[in-house]
Order: sequence, then C-alpha cells, then structure tokens
Amino acid sequence: GQQLNQSPQSMFIQEGEDVSMNCTSSSIFNTWLWYKQDPGEGPVLLIALYKAGELTSNGRLTAQFGITRKDSFLNISASIPSDVGIYFCAGRYRDDKIIFGKGTRLHILP
Amino acid sequence: DTAVSQTPKYLVTQMGNDKSIKCEQNLGHDTMYWYKQDSKKFLKIMFSYNNKELIINETVPNRFSPKSPDKAHLNLHINSLELGDSAVYFCASSQAFGSNEQFFGPGTRLTVL
Repeated sequence: GQQLNQSPQSMFIQEGEDVSMNCTSSSIFNTWLWYKQDPGEGPVLLIALYKAGELTSNGRLTAQFGITRKDSFLNISASIPSDVGIYFCAGRYRDDKIIFGKGTRLHILP
Repeated sequence: DTAVSQTPKYLVTQMGNDKSIKCEQNLGHDTMYWYKQDSKKFLKIMFSYNNKELIINETVPNRFSPKSPDKAHLNLHINSLELGDSAVYFCASSQAFGSNEQFFGPGTRLTVL
C-alpha cells in the first residue's frame, strides 16, 4: 500500500534557526497536508496543498507540493519555543484515503 | 467550547475487559473518524463514518466496533482488550467526506495491563 517517508525523524535546533522537513513517496498524491501535534493534544492542520508546484505560507511556515506529486516539504523560519512538537505530513490519494507520515519531532535547545 | 471532545482522557484496564470511548463534535460536520496512535507516534486511521454510515474500515480486528448514534457522535467499543491495544485513540471530524481538514479531539490514552 501507499507509504509516506518523512524525514528527519527528529531535529534538535537552537531557537531562531530555520527548520526544513520533507515527505516523499513512491506514489502520487492529490493533496498534501501538514499537521502539528503538541504534547497531549491532537494534530492540528497547518497547511494544505492542492496542486503540483504550489507554494503556500502560513506565517513563518512555508510548504510546497512537489512537482512530481510524490513529495512535499515544510519550512519553518526563525523557530521559537512554541514550535516544539511533532509535525506530520499527510497525503490524500483518493477521496476517502489520507495516510500520515511517521512524524518529525522538533526539539528546541535552551 | 470544545469542537471535538472525547471521554475518557485516560483509561487503564485489565486484559480481557471490554471498554468504550465516546466522541462528540459540535461543528456540524458530516464525517467522523477514529485513529490509533502507537507508542512511536505513528497515526493510523481505523474507521470513518459519513452521516452515520461506515465508509472506511481499515483492517481493524472485529473486537473494535464503532457506533454512530447520530452525526455528532462516534463511539468506539473494544471487546476482549489485549496488551497491543494500548495506544492513544483520536477521534476527528471533517465537514464532509473528502474534506481535507480534519479536526482532532484531545485523544484517549488507553493502557491495557
């Protein structure tokens, strides 16, 4: 079945640094989604991408839908402590199917 | 007001017991979901209901039985609990079947001893 490979698995950065993470697959997706999960909470949608090549921003977050439709990346600029959490990519490949990547755990060093 | 609420937040029980988790959404959404998040934080869909009808059942053991009494509620009943059922279970809802944005509840942490 379809799988999403999300990397890196974990990131340890200093406050103020930029962050980049990505998701790849051997399958084509119609939609790419990026969610964030804070500790003890459910995931919250950050950005949704609908067309190949699309670049979308949400504040300090920028995400792109890969031109091949098999990948997506998420960038966070000038990280702050509240950016800590788990970031999930998710891809929709049929109307009824969304699958999630295994998450990127973002840690910010004091 | 909580958009998607789940009860209980924590559930600790013995192997072999039967337990239920309740979910309610006050967003007026048509579609609701159950996800399981394992200890490695891998999030996997279990069930999807649209207007009280089962749409997705992702190779989940039949010990798990969802029930949707109305559009705003999707409960999960688990029979004969096993150690491997320990996980965080998330309920979610979306406006319609095929909507991309899903609103997740706070999760229910199930521990089977």
